[in-house]
Amino acid sequence: SQKIEQNSEALNIQEGKTATLTCNYTNYSPAYLQWYRQDPGRGPVFLLLIRENEKEKRKERLKVTFDTTLKQSLFHITASQPADSATYLCAPRFYGNNRLAFGKGNQVVVIP
Amino acid sequence: GAVVSQHPSRVICKSGTSVKIECRSLDFQATTMFWYRQFPKQSLMLMATSNEGSKATYEQGVEKDKFLINHASLTLSTLTVTSAHPEDSSFYICSASGVRGNSPLHFGNGTRLTVT
Repeated sequence: SQKIEQNSEALNIQEGKTATLTCNYTNYSPAYLQWYRQDPGRGPVFLLLIRENEKEKRKERLKVTFDTTLKQSLFHITASQPADSATYLCAPRFYGNNRLAFGKGNQVVVIP
Repeated sequence: GAVVSQHPSRVICKSGTSVKIECRSLDFQATTMFWYRQFPKQSLMLMATSNEGSKATYEQGVEKDKFLINHASLTLSTLTVTSAHPEDSSFYICSASGVRGNSPLHFGNGTRLTVT
């Protein structure tokens, strides 16, 4: 069956450092992958999309990589700030298919 | 940016009653809306996909007679939890997608349902 795996343990990181989150998927061949941020008691907010033919995508302090051979995406937050503390969800997706499944999410806690 | 409004944000109801949750896309036309349920520290679980003007497609294990979905217009979808039980207590989130197949989803802020 299709699976999306994200580390269930919270990542505690010192302010200013780079946080790196991992999303592994199995039995999927997604055409692209989306990352979302979710704060407690709120709906997710879209951050970045990376396509299968893109190795890397950046947006401000965020960077996403996509390795279709390893079936893995890495999500980096550089120069992390306490305001970056949240849960980050990855969601592989297929062309022509609106259905979106999510990983359990990686919780990030940035310590001032 | 695209805004999805979900109402109510919190609701408490008694067992056996029904609760309706509304999801509106405020500044775009949502051809497809999705309903998710999330338990504490768990991932978002897709319940159903609804397309405007047609019947919703439910995920395996989700009872369509219990979770009634109506998507009557391009800006409004509703989820009605019928004959609610305490185990239906959860965080329900709707999302909406635009026309393009790879459009990001825009989520509402969720509804915390507590069934007593």
